[in-house]
Amino acid sequence: AQSVSQHNHHVILSEAASLELGCNYSYGGTVNLFWYVQYPGQHLQLLLKYFSGDPLVKGIKGFEAEFIKSKFSFNLRKPSVQWSDTAEYFCAVNEAGMDSSYKLIFGSGTRLLVRP
Amino acid sequence: DGGITQSPKYLFRKEGQNVTLSCEQNLNHDAMYWYRQDPGQGLRLIYYSQIVNDFQKGDIAEGYSVSREKKESFPLTVTSAQKNPTAFYLCASSRGTDNEQFFGPGTRLTVL
Repeated sequence: AQSVSQHNHHVILSEAASLELGCNYSYGGTVNLFWYVQYPGQHLQLLLKYFSGDPLVKGIKGFEAEFIKSKFSFNLRKPSVQWSDTAEYFCAVNEAGMDSSYKLIFGSGTRLLVRP
Repeated sequence: DGGITQSPKYLFRKEGQNVTLSCEQNLNHDAMYWYRQDPGQGLRLIYYSQIVNDFQKGDIAEGYSVSREKKESFPLTVTSAQKNPTAFYLCASSRGTDNEQFFGPGTRLTVL
């Protein structure tokens, strides 16, 4: 069965530190990849997505992620975090172009706390 | 303002009672989804619907039921058969099943 692993459950950083959140998935076929963010008290919203093309994708608020197919990874990065980046981050994967592509598989999430 | 609304935000029910959670979208999306979010477990798919009058079970459908009589609406009923119903429930929609999903604000259900 497909699965998504987020290795860091809790991350604490100071403002201006660099961020990298790991995401690995288990599926050998073509996938779509997503990072969602849930700010305190707000809706889950899309940060960025990868469907095809350039494996380095840029999202909102200065976030980017790199798809490394050989490593089954889609790590999220930001060069300099702000206090407002405090949130929970979810990696998600689905099978591209298949009947089962409805099935978005989520990782367990990473809670990021950025200290001022 | 397009989006997904879920009501109520907080819901309390006694054990053994059925409860229905509302989800409405005005994005003209064909597909709608229900997820359950528990601490440390991410989101798990309960049911999804690709078109009106059609829906399929997700990974954890036992103890839940849904209907899709209108494109805009996808209510979820948590029945008394659901063994551990206390959770945060999220509704989502997408243009199709291969597109990004947009999420509502969620309903936190507590069964006493």
